[in-house]
Amino acid sequence: DTGVSQDPRHKITKRGQNVTFRCDPISEHNRLYWYRQTLGQGPEFLTYFQNEAQLEKSRLLSDRFSAERPKGSFSTLEIQRTEQGDSAMYLCASSFWDSTNEKLFFGSGTQLSVL
Amino acid sequence: GDSVTQMEGPVTLSEEAFLTINCTYTATGYPSLFWYVQYPGEGLQLLLKATKADDKGSNKGFEATYRKETTSFHLEKGSVQVSDSAVYFCAPMDSSYKLIFGSGTRLLVRP
Repeated sequence: DTGVSQDPRHKITKRGQNVTFRCDPISEHNRLYWYRQTLGQGPEFLTYFQNEAQLEKSRLLSDRFSAERPKGSFSTLEIQRTEQGDSAMYLCASSFWDSTNEKLFFGSGTQLSVL
Repeated sequence: GDSVTQMEGPVTLSEEAFLTINCTYTATGYPSLFWYVQYPGEGLQLLLKATKADDKGSNKGFEATYRKETTSFHLEKGSVQVSDSAVYFCAPMDSSYKLIFGSGTRLLVRP
């Protein structure tokens, strides 16, 4: 068990550029979550997958954001035409959900800075 | 929708002091309740949880009791250490099994 892995750890980009983040969950975890955390705030839910199906998306997830989990393993989160307001820590979490286990394991996050 | 309110920080204590971080929530039904901790430079870690009314979650000397009547889940520790300095997040789990986080409470423990 190597934990939830996120790549890159840091990303600096210019406004208007596209960025993509990757999350590798713990092996055999069927649920994968994306959260966003800004300085001094708690994580805000963005979206989650059960296996490859995206089951819920927050209103925070504008049409510039897209997430995929094509084979039910790793996931990517893409932000198109980045804005300065997108600067935040993007957190990924995974869990093995079977209606009794509710424990989420979080990665260390990807820190995005939009200049 | 579900929401959670935590006491604002920072909370600054001397080593061996008693800690309380208040947390209240609004939710549909009776969600499972969690405390997560974020140490400097690290990811979120589960500290403790409680799944039903009157349950007490405990770990590393920290405790929290699920109080249905007051919709609260206050975090306590009898004697804090410098190594407990971190940001603590209260988080109920909503009906679709996702966590709803509070804004976090920063704890600073001085030697």
